[in-house]
Amino acid sequence: TQLLEQSPQFLSIQEGENLTVYCNSSSVFSSLQWYRQEPGEGPVLLVTVVTGGEVKKLKRLTFQFGDARKDSSLHITAAQTGDTGLYLCAGEERGANNLFFGTGTRLTVIP
Amino acid sequence: SAVISQKPSRDICQRGTSLTIQCQVDSQVTMMFWYRQQPGQSLTLIATANQGSEATYESGFVIDKFPISRPNLTFSTLTVSNMSPEDSSIYLCSVGGGSGGTDTQYFGPGTRLTVL
Repeated sequence: TQLLEQSPQFLSIQEGENLTVYCNSSSVFSSLQWYRQEPGEGPVLLVTVVTGGEVKKLKRLTFQFGDARKDSSLHITAAQTGDTGLYLCAGEERGANNLFFGTGTRLTVIP
Repeated sequence: SAVISQKPSRDICQRGTSLTIQCQVDSQVTMMFWYRQQPGQSLTLIATANQGSEATYESGFVIDKFPISRPNLTFSTLTVSNMSPEDSSIYLCSVGGGSGGTDTQYFGPGTRLTVL
């Protein structure tokens, strides 16, 4: 089992603040995905990054894949209460048939 | 994308009993996955289920405890057998959406199991 460590584990911020969540591993992944999960629901895919150094932006969310494809970050600008949830990174190893999920970051945005 | 439903959405069970969780997909898929998510934690893969073959279990999970069926390309079941309070978790099924089977995974809403 590959270990994907996320930090911080918990994050509570005021609406309008910026934040960054990190996902780190000693393994190389062919792709890395970020999911958000809300209570009572399954995780929903936010983005997939596949190229080392790749940066993807989705409105206020910016995702970066490390040059060595071992780590990733998620940056949220001007957080909103709707951003509250559990954020999970997940790595896919080349040739594997499953994803390895990170330890998770629980974000709470306070109005 | 794929739409996935699970039954039951939640259940409270007595120690020593078994519960079968159903997962239905609105399209035919090759690979289905079963995960466990303990309260406040991340997802742990239990097994991968391909239609027409036995499920492949991850380390720490065995077929006697978590038997899986995959009778066709749109349906799977996971049974949690001889339950104990340690089995209290959310159980999620997912399907791979990409050409490689895992480029994107779509998840069901989960089954919240409480064992007394």
